[in-house]
Amino acid sequence: AQSVTQPDIHITVSEGASLELRCNYSYGATPYLFWYVQSPGQGLQLLLKYFSGDTLVQGIKGFEAEFKRSQSSFNLRKPSVHWSDAAEYFCAVGAPTGRRALTFGSGTRLQVQP
Amino acid sequence: DGGITQSPKYLFRKEGQNVTLSCEQNLNHDAMYWYRQDPGQGLRLIYYSQIVNDFQKGDIAEGYSVSREKKESFPLTVTSAQKNPTAFYLCASTPGRGQAFFGQGTRLTVV
Repeated sequence: AQSVTQPDIHITVSEGASLELRCNYSYGATPYLFWYVQSPGQGLQLLLKYFSGDTLVQGIKGFEAEFKRSQSSFNLRKPSVHWSDAAEYFCAVGAPTGRRALTFGSGTRLQVQP
Repeated sequence: DGGITQSPKYLFRKEGQNVTLSCEQNLNHDAMYWYRQDPGQGLRLIYYSQIVNDFQKGDIAEGYSVSREKKESFPLTVTSAQKNPTAFYLCASTPGRGQAFFGQGTRLTVV
């Protein structure tokens, strides 16, 4: 069974600073990988996804993520954070075979200081 | 607009009551899912259905039941057997293997 670890529960950055949110997964092969964002009391919105091919993936709102097979990681990055990026971020993995449901990490809450 | 509609947005349950959360999608997706979200625990899978009239237990199915009589609908019943039902419930659907599309959630509170 797959699992996802997001080691940072809470991160605070200054507006305009760069951001990196960490995600490590456990799975026997290369999984499908996703990053979602959630505003308080809302559903989840997809930021980006990786299925195969180029390991650097571009997403919406200026986010990108890099798949590193050797490190079993899929870290999310943004060069310059905006106050509107404050939210909770979830990394998720999906299996190419077997159960289709995504497995989620516990999330990282991002706070942005002015 | 295509999407997933969850209702109600807020739901209050008395001890010993069963309550049903609605989830409807017009995306023509085969697979639908119910997740439970608690602070600091991410999303945990309750039940999922990959086709009409078929569903499987997820990781935390005890105290919950579902049905899938129509492709568009996947209601979740929180039974009195669920000892700690207060949580945020999210419904999702997928067209196959790939990204999940989420509803806006239902917040259930036991009073």
